[in-house]
Amino acid sequence: AQSVTQLDSQVPVFEEAPVELRCNYSSSVSVYLFWYVQYPNQGLQLLLKYLSGSTLVKGINGFEAEFNKSQTSFHLRKPSVHISDTAEYFCAVILSYNTDKLIFGTGTRLQVFP
Amino acid sequence: EAQVTQNPRYLITVTGKKLTVTCSQNMNHEYMSWYRQDPGLGLRQIYYSMNVEVTDKGDVPEGYKVSRKEKRNFPLILESPSPNQTSLYFCASTGSGGARNEQFFGPGTRLTVL
Repeated sequence: AQSVTQLDSQVPVFEEAPVELRCNYSSSVSVYLFWYVQYPNQGLQLLLKYLSGSTLVKGINGFEAEFNKSQTSFHLRKPSVHISDTAEYFCAVILSYNTDKLIFGTGTRLQVFP
Repeated sequence: EAQVTQNPRYLITVTGKKLTVTCSQNMNHEYMSWYRQDPGLGLRQIYYSMNVEVTDKGDVPEGYKVSRKEKRNFPLILESPSPNQTSLYFCASTGSGGARNEQFFGPGTRLTVL
């Protein structure tokens, strides 16, 4: 079965510190990868996605992620976080043979402290 | 303004009382989807629709129905709600190409079934 694992349910960090949110997937076929962000009391918003090409993907708000096929990972990083980055972050995957379905991880809550 | 709207935003009901959550998008998108979000489980897809009169089950379709009579609307129907359907529900839409494209999410509907 295919799945997405977000290893940390919560990540506390101080403002201006770097952060990495981890995401691993399991799939025997090629995948497309996404990170979505959910700010408090809002719907989800796309941060970035990897479909093909360069494995380093840059998204909005200074976030980036790197697709590592050998480690089946797609970790999200930001070199310096702001208070406004406090939100829940979801990694998601689409299997290449079934592009109708987006499979989400369980989410990581990023809490940025002043 | 391009958006996905859901109504109602909050709903408290009792077991067995039929209800409908409406979803509408003004972006002329073909693909629409319903998700439920539960703590520790992330988002799980309930149903999706590739176009008018084309719908299919997601991962957790039991207890739900949908219809797609018009391109812009994709209502979620709970014929006989039960307490295990208490959840936060999101509708999303995207253009042709399915879930590989950015999905635009509605603001969510928080449903409580007593």
